[in-house]
Amino acid sequence: DAGVTQSPTHLIKTRGQQVTLRCSPISGHKSVSWYQQVLGQGPQFIFQYYEKEERGRGNFPDRFSARQFPNYSSELNVNALLLGDSALYLCASRSSFSGNTIYFGEGSWLTVV
Amino acid sequence: QQPVQSPQAVILREGEDAVINCSSSKALYSVHWYRQKHGEAPVFLMILLKGGEQKGHEKISASFNEKKQQSSLYLTASQLSYSGTYFCGTEISSTGNQFYFGTGTSLTVIP
Repeated sequence: DAGVTQSPTHLIKTRGQQVTLRCSPISGHKSVSWYQQVLGQGPQFIFQYYEKEERGRGNFPDRFSARQFPNYSSELNVNALLLGDSALYLCASRSSFSGNTIYFGEGSWLTVV
Repeated sequence: QQPVQSPQAVILREGEDAVINCSSSKALYSVHWYRQKHGEAPVFLMILLKGGEQKGHEKISASFNEKKQQSSLYLTASQLSYSGTYFCGTEISSTGNQFYFGTGTSLTVIP
């Protein structure tokens, strides 16, 4: 079975631009969550979606938004990019919204210049 | 709400043991442990649900003391492949609204 897949794997954007990151969960998993990992730090929770509804939001500005589609795939959008948004963005999926294993994708490396 | 891990870093020789602690200021519903190598995604090690359970995975095991809001990861007879950064991850409720990673522990195993 395919694991969590993310695209693109690497991208470079200019300050002020917008970016969309995509994630396909493991087949049968209905929960998708997003994390930001800045170099040298641990992952920080951004969003969790379950059954296409937002179930949790971390301490990130409104420039960050996400959605989940009927096939449970998800997109993370970041507007008005700042240099500080440069990070590894991790997507994770799980079969329910709590209490079970969270599987991570390989991440999307975003560099803002 | 970020759990605090200790120690921040540890260096071991092959075959030695280590303990990594994770402490939360809030009551926990579950604790997850991950290992991340440089440039890679976190890899799941184990999950513990409230109830004081202890789980094992080869030479790596963990305990969860929900009263103390703490979890510990035990690595025995360490191998070179154990090197990486270890994170605990915590859920504070069964609604799964938020998942917080700990501050991380860098583990280096040397020959």
